[in-house]
Amino acid sequence: ETGVTQTPRHLVMGMTNKKSLKCEQHLGHNAMYWYKQSAKKPLELMFVYNFKEQTENNSVPSRFSPECPNSSHLFLHLHTLQPEDSALYLCASSQDRQSTGELFFGEGSRLTVL
Amino acid sequence: AQSVTQLGSHVSVSEGALVLLRCNYSSSVPPYLFWYVQYPNQGLQLLLKYTTGATLVKGINGFEAEFKKSETSFHLTKPSAHMSDAAEYFCAVSPGFQKLVFGTGTRLLVSP
Repeated sequence: ETGVTQTPRHLVMGMTNKKSLKCEQHLGHNAMYWYKQSAKKPLELMFVYNFKEQTENNSVPSRFSPECPNSSHLFLHLHTLQPEDSALYLCASSQDRQSTGELFFGEGSRLTVL
Repeated sequence: AQSVTQLGSHVSVSEGALVLLRCNYSSSVPPYLFWYVQYPNQGLQLLLKYTTGATLVKGINGFEAEFKKSETSFHLTKPSAHMSDAAEYFCAVSPGFQKLVFGTGTRLLVSP
């Protein structure tokens, strides 16, 4: 079983739609992350949760709304997105926020906004 | 602020040839350094990391990297490339217990 599972793997949505990305980790970690991966750009850290509490929001537009109900699950709620939001969204986890940077990534959710 | 520069968005090698992927970093404090690999349609996987101690770090799949403080570099090498090494490689720096900063990635192409 994959340590970090993301669903859906692919998502196409219009600018007026509301959808959610889901991430689940089976590693017993306490920190979870959302990253955005766009072509020819470095991975962008979006949000960090540590023990279910949001510890970082990197100036992400409010059309992206994260939710972390427990240490194993992380959601990214999407609404009124723009075409430039099309990207691969990666979820990751680590033992805790103070770990030495070893992140465990899911396979990503490829989002296309029309 | 911390930053990572990966020289060359694409590197092409022949199977059996030496692989060298370059990474230079900027950090105001002693850094932790990482290489991650991303195979097509997959997430990132940790190849190796340097935190403290020995500056030559060995990772999975025969890769290794050397931390050179004087050159602020952490280049990734493998003596003999294999077709299965074709992937995108990301260098990253963590200035201690803080967020990870990634480079833009280098796509490794391996030809028969």
